[in-house]
Amino acid sequence: GQNIDQPTEMTATEGAIVQINCTYQTSGFNGLFWYQQHAGEAPTFLSYNVLDGLEEKGRFSSFLSRSKGYSYLLLKELQMKDSASYLCAAADSNYQLIWGAGTKLIIKP
Amino acid sequence: DTAVSQTPKYLVTQMGNDKSIKCEQNLGHDTMYWYKQDSKKFLKIMFSYNNKELIINETVPNRFSPKSPDKAHLNLHINSLELGDSAVYFCASSQDWGERTDTQYFGPGTRLTVL
Repeated sequence: GQNIDQPTEMTATEGAIVQINCTYQTSGFNGLFWYQQHAGEAPTFLSYNVLDGLEEKGRFSSFLSRSKGYSYLLLKELQMKDSASYLCAAADSNYQLIWGAGTKLIIKP
Repeated sequence: DTAVSQTPKYLVTQMGNDKSIKCEQNLGHDTMYWYKQDSKKFLKIMFSYNNKELIINETVPNRFSPKSPDKAHLNLHINSLELGDSAVYFCASSQDWGERTDTQYFGPGTRLTVL
């Protein structure tokens, strides 16, 4: 079956760095998305990786290893507004997104 | 301008009632989706339409019926509402389907509470 695993919850300190991991098992693979979802709001697009390596976008970076079925989202210089859930989603051979349950990130002052 | 909009934002209703949720996107996308997000925060795909044609129909009770009058609109009608239907329903859209991986853009969600 198809499956996405990510930690349920993580806690980090304002100003620090946090890495949120995601492992995936899909029938075929056509890329991996990270979305941010604040409480009571819609998911919003953060990043998309289809090739191995690190993609940097400001304070956020996303990494992909296709051979390991693994990705991570790296958040630097954490701010209180980064408190949210982070959803990992992999596109399968039919380009359908398989979603993880999300990682709730709590930022403490 | 709101890219993907849904109405209503909140919906509180009694068991057994019939209700509809409307979705519109002004992005010029060809594909639209309905997702259900339950209390455990899993996003579950329910339906997907490409150019008004149904392309994904997951295992969803037939009390749920989507309708796409044109490619900018995808409405969801729910008959005989049950307690387990309480969730947040998200509409989303993407440029294309089946030829590449496209980013999905989500509406603000409709929080449905069935009493």
